[in-house]
Amino acid sequence: GAGVSQSPSNKVTEKGKDVELRCDPISGHTALYWYRQSLGQGLEFLIYFQGNSAPDKSGLPSDRFSAERTGGSVSTLTIQRTQQEDSAVYLCASSLRATEAFFGQGTRLTVV
Amino acid sequence: DQQVKQNSPSLSVQEGRISILNCDYTNSMFDYFLWYKKYPAEGPTFLISISSIKDKNEDGRFTVFLNKSAKHLSLHIVPSQPGDSAVYFCAASNLYRDQFYFGTGTSLTVIP
Repeated sequence: GAGVSQSPSNKVTEKGKDVELRCDPISGHTALYWYRQSLGQGLEFLIYFQGNSAPDKSGLPSDRFSAERTGGSVSTLTIQRTQQEDSAVYLCASSLRATEAFFGQGTRLTVV
Repeated sequence: DQQVKQNSPSLSVQEGRISILNCDYTNSMFDYFLWYKKYPAEGPTFLISISSIKDKNEDGRFTVFLNKSAKHLSLHIVPSQPGDSAVYFCAASNLYRDQFYFGTGTSLTVIP
């Protein structure tokens, strides 16, 4: 499809396990963002990529969180040793210019 | 430090009345502003935008107002409809730096 694709759409994991969330941005979009929305909470910025580099990763909540982007395209957000407070919807967005960002459907992560 | 703020987490409005959602920003370098709408289990979708060279932009029932001196923007929805019930996010960018900054969102409920 032509939109931002995120996988998996739902993920249930046990506390302490590692998880990887994937984002396929719109082809040609140079900027990519990761956000999360916890239940009843607002949108929380995690990291911003421009190409393969991350000029702003100020939102990553702890060193258990990391993200990479390869080939200026696909991005993976990795959460190590998951905790229950990591449960949230993780949203990815991409943009070509700062006039509109396009979001994926999100990955709902549940840590049990 | 949150550069874009939505201080009202929620708002309830009667059907047919006006909904006013507010957003404040701190960075005077922002020159483009957007509103997004999010339904449950979906990613945010673009609603309306405004350039800093304007103070108003209208699209059907939706109007965005920008007050640069106050670093404030607002979204007016007239008349409000039950289908407008969603979470609304404002966002700001600097077209040179090419990075978006999102507010935390306001949940709008339109009561039939």
